[in-house]
Amino acid sequence: DSGVTQTPKHLITATGQRVTLRCSPRSGDLSVYWYQQSLDQGLQFLIQYYNGEERAKGNILERFSAQQFPDLHSELNLSSLELGDSALYFCASTQGGRAADTQYFGPGTRLTVL
Amino acid sequence: GEDVEQSLFLSVREGDSSVINCTYTDSSSTYLYWYKQEPGAGLQLLTYIFSNMDMKQDQRLTVLLNKKDKHLSLRIADTQTGDSAIYFCAESPGGYQKVTFGTGTKLQVIP
Repeated sequence: DSGVTQTPKHLITATGQRVTLRCSPRSGDLSVYWYQQSLDQGLQFLIQYYNGEERAKGNILERFSAQQFPDLHSELNLSSLELGDSALYFCASTQGGRAADTQYFGPGTRLTVL
Repeated sequence: GEDVEQSLFLSVREGDSSVINCTYTDSSSTYLYWYKQEPGAGLQLLTYIFSNMDMKQDQRLTVLLNKKDKHLSLRIADTQTGDSAIYFCAESPGGYQKVTFGTGTKLQVIP
């Protein structure tokens, strides 16, 4: 158990809908990273937050957004969903804000868009 | 930009050693990681090495780094069926940078 929690574990929705994925980092960790894992794209870095502020941005679509709250949990919002958004979404946390810090991954949320 | 490449598949017999290879392109000081992903599960950090090191050993795992060729390998001694998983190599340049993952190598251990 990495100490990182993600909810829900599975999510099934329809095209055009909007969903919110939630991540709680390990106790004491200030930074949260979001990743998307799909068969055709592999594991892609989406976005990083550190202590409530956006720190780095990767291959995140404009339809997606994220935020980190004062209690350090983070939410990833996916809107106008398309079939191709079906994937495993992971979050990871680190103590500091450096990506070079060891990242601890949550179990992931499997999103299926029908 | 950064690019990390791995072979897609490796099959070994139980008890043999497994060697999973990875090449990366970033030339700056960087951290290099190995993660394991079992079916239906998240990524688990196995080990990491900084680019000023040549080797790191942790129980059955040995990481070798050839900085000149930008080649990283993970050796698993006495491979067990429980080692069957996908292994991801990843790199992260020092500083506030993103992590780039390889495509993953699926390790199949034959009993």
